[in-house]
Amino acid sequence: EPEVTQTPSHQVTQMGQEVILRCVPISNHLYFYWYRQILGQKVEFLVSFYNNEISEKSEIFDDQFSVERPDGSNFTLKIRSTKLEDSAMYFCASSDRASGVGEQYFGPGTRLTVT
Amino acid sequence: ILNVEQSPQSLHVQEGDSTNFTCSFPSSNFYALHWYRWETAKSPEALFVMTLNGDEKKKGRISATLNTKEGYSYLYIKGSQPEDSATYLCALKAAGNKLTFGGGTRVLVKP
Repeated sequence: EPEVTQTPSHQVTQMGQEVILRCVPISNHLYFYWYRQILGQKVEFLVSFYNNEISEKSEIFDDQFSVERPDGSNFTLKIRSTKLEDSAMYFCASSDRASGVGEQYFGPGTRLTVT
Repeated sequence: ILNVEQSPQSLHVQEGDSTNFTCSFPSSNFYALHWYRWETAKSPEALFVMTLNGDEKKKGRISATLNTKEGYSYLYIKGSQPEDSATYLCALKAAGNKLTFGGGTRVLVKP
């Protein structure tokens, strides 16, 4: 069964460093998403991506964040200069149609720890 | 800001017992409600996408109902088994494509 994969499973970085989180969505999907869950809080939406551009982003997704689909299979989230408060579990998701009727399929997450 | 709430936060169930828990959401701007089952270190698994008031969906021993007029959904587990232990998340789709999640209900089934 096709699945969303994410690498690495755990990343530790120092404050101020850049990190790139990687995702491989399900191959025929067209819509891609990043969510995150800070420990003890709700899963929260960061950004959605369709047709090679951001279709929606939350107020969390400021200039420190960017997304890219560099090669037609990978979908990446870059944080330019990490802060302590960026420590969270980051989930990638994909769907084959606009959500609502279509399910969003989630990867297992990357746990980012900023020290 | 949409507020999606789940209760209880956690519950312990004896193996073989049935249980249920709630997701409540603002009924305005409703488009769909998603339920996920999430085990630690695994991907959240999609259970149901519910769109119509009065919807009832079933997958094995797990079922869900939806009331969009009053803004709630129930998830039921019949005859709980240890493998049902997980966190169950509901998520609302209103405008746009994003999902707004509740805090989850952590279910622990005791043998």
